[in-house]
Amino acid sequence: EIVMTQSPATLSVSPGERATLSCRASQSVKNRLAWYQQKPGQAPRLLIYGASTRATSIPARFSGSGSGTEFTLTISSLQSEDFAVYYCQQYDHWPPPWTFGQGTKVEI
Amino acid sequence: EVQLVESGGGLVQPGGSLRLSCAASGFRFNGYEMNWVRQAPGKGLEWVSYISSSGHTIYYADSVKGRFTFSRDNANNLLHLEMNSLRAEDTAVYYCATGVEMVQGVVNYWGQGTLVTVSS
Repeated sequence: EIVMTQSPATLSVSPGERATLSCRASQSVKNRLAWYQQKPGQAPRLLIYGASTRATSIPARFSGSGSGTEFTLTISSLQSEDFAVYYCQQYDHWPPPWTFGQGTKVEI
Repeated sequence: EVQLVESGGGLVQPGGSLRLSCAASGFRFNGYEMNWVRQAPGKGLEWVSYISSSGHTIYYADSVKGRFTFSRDNANNLLHLEMNSLRAEDTAVYYCATGVEMVQGVVNYWGQGTLVTVSS
């Protein structure tokens, strides 16, 4: 099973600041990496897939980069609605399991 | 509009059974793979099971293999997750999830989730 490790566990930032979240895979997943945002009491929402492709309706302030084992999600200028937990997920392994990181909480 | 609506969650004793369902609408259900993903209280996301569009191919996480059975009814746009020999560690919100017009393995549609609590 591919293990996904996110850092930091919690990121404290102010509105308008830049946030950089990291995700590391235990083996190469090529670019088969997705990022999700989850707010309390809600289902996750897809932000990024293919390591860098924004999903439909996702604002341009969200960007993803990386390949192989190291990935980054950047939020260029945090808005109040961006405070949430973010998960990375690999989908390279076939057959499943597709594995998630443990999450990074972005807080004020 | 794609909609996924789970039902069937509740409180069950350790060793007991529960059947979750997911009603799908707004897309060509029989053309898409489906998944269950769960989230224990205050914890992260865990992929649980996958089923192909035809229902002929199914995979399970090791943590549920042999205890859970995933099936689909393409005539009625329904998914079912039969859960047996439930353990405290199965306590979680269970989401049905799929990728519509999306790369395999990526979820762009989630249900609202149904809570399963395993406790005596």
